[in-house]
This record gives sequence, C-alpha cells and structure tokens, in this order.
Amino acid sequence: EVQVVESGGGLVQPGRSLRLSCTVSGFTLGDYGLSWVRQAPGKGLEWVGFITSKTYGGTTEYAASVKGRFTISRDDSKNIAYLQMNSLKTEDTAVYYCTRGCSGGACYAYWGQGTLVTVSS
Amino acid sequence: EIVLTQSPDFQSVTPKEKVTITCRASQSIGGNLHWYQQKSAQSPKLLIKYASQSISGVPSRFSGSGSGTDFTLTINSLEAEDAATYYCHQSSGLPRTFGQGTKVEIK
Repeated sequence: EVQVVESGGGLVQPGRSLRLSCTVSGFTLGDYGLSWVRQAPGKGLEWVGFITSKTYGGTTEYAASVKGRFTISRDDSKNIAYLQMNSLKTEDTAVYYCTRGCSGGACYAYWGQGTLVTVSS
Repeated sequence: EIVLTQSPDFQSVTPKEKVTITCRASQSIGGNLHWYQQKSAQSPKLLIKYASQSISGVPSRFSGSGSGTDFTLTINSLEAEDAATYYCHQSSGLPRTFGQGTKVEIK
C-alpha cells in the first residue's frame, strides 16, 4: 500500500528556516516524481515545486514565490524527500502536502495528510 | 503562467442531479488537465487524469472531457458524499497551476 506522510511543520518566526520531511512507503521513491503543494488557510491549492524521478535526473523546479528560498531534495536510500524552507515569510503559512506523481504521468496520484506551517512572530 | 479559471465558484445541488464544472485554460494545454476532489478537512484526491482518463476506485459517475483550453468535469447523479471542493490542475507548462476551486454543496 502506498503511503505518503509529511512531518516537520510547526510555528516559526519570519526569516527563520524549517525543513519538512516526506516519508514514503509502498513504492521506490526514486522511481517517481514528487511534488509539494500548499494550501493557505481557507484558500485553494498552490504548487510549490517538484523533483523528478531518477530517470529524469532528479531535477527540480519551483514556483516563483519560493524560488531561491525553498529547496526540494530526496534521499532514496531512506525513502524520504525534503522541503527545505529558508527566509520564511508570513505568506508561507499553509498546510504543505507531499504528493507522488502518477505512473508515467504528471498528475498527483497520492497525497499525504499535510503538515501545517505557521509563520508568525 | 497558464491560468485556469473554473466555473462556477459555488454550486448548491440536490442529490441525483447532474453537476457540470468547467475549467478554462488561458492557453492550449492539450489534454494535460487533471481533476481533484477535496472534502472538508481532508487531502485532495485524484479523480480524473489527462482530461478524461478514469482512476481506479473512483465511482463511475465522475467523468471528464475536453482538450485544448476547455475542459469539463461531470458528476452524474450526485450523491451526498460528493460534497467537496473540486480543482482542476494543468501539467502542460511551468509553473504548474490549479484552478481556484468549485465548491459543491448538497441541498
């Protein structure tokens, strides 16, 4: 059974850093693309970025709003992906979802339960 | 950036009615359009991929159609459990984008 579990959220002050983890099971992490999607309180879904599968070189892409501040990485040996968030802003407050890509596709087949990040002084 | 515009924003529907949600892209995206359902306090769930491809485990009353810039999600014979917000999502270009969501309420 495929499982995706985020962790690491919490309350953090503006300008500080936080690292989210995405622990997966039921599949080999390196065989799939993995994306982060966030949802601010009461708002819609916003794409944050992705890391491609090993086949596609593990390349990363980011939304303009987080580029240069957020970094997605992956430790295939541990089946864990990370979202390193630096220079956090109040507008980064959201539930962050980790998603696994569809087999051979760019849709999001599996979603974690999300982890809440609150950026506030 | 490819902008996805859903309509309507909100729909109140009685059970067994047919629901149609549209998603219009600001430029052609071929068939690279996916639909998700998000129920209250839950994570989103993939309903339809690549405009019209069904997903295992998703009830057959959900279907999708369209290509290019105009897409439709149809729910035939709405059930109470279908109360949710529905989002379209494009994977044609970067950045990936979502529609603003359509909330479906059961009367």
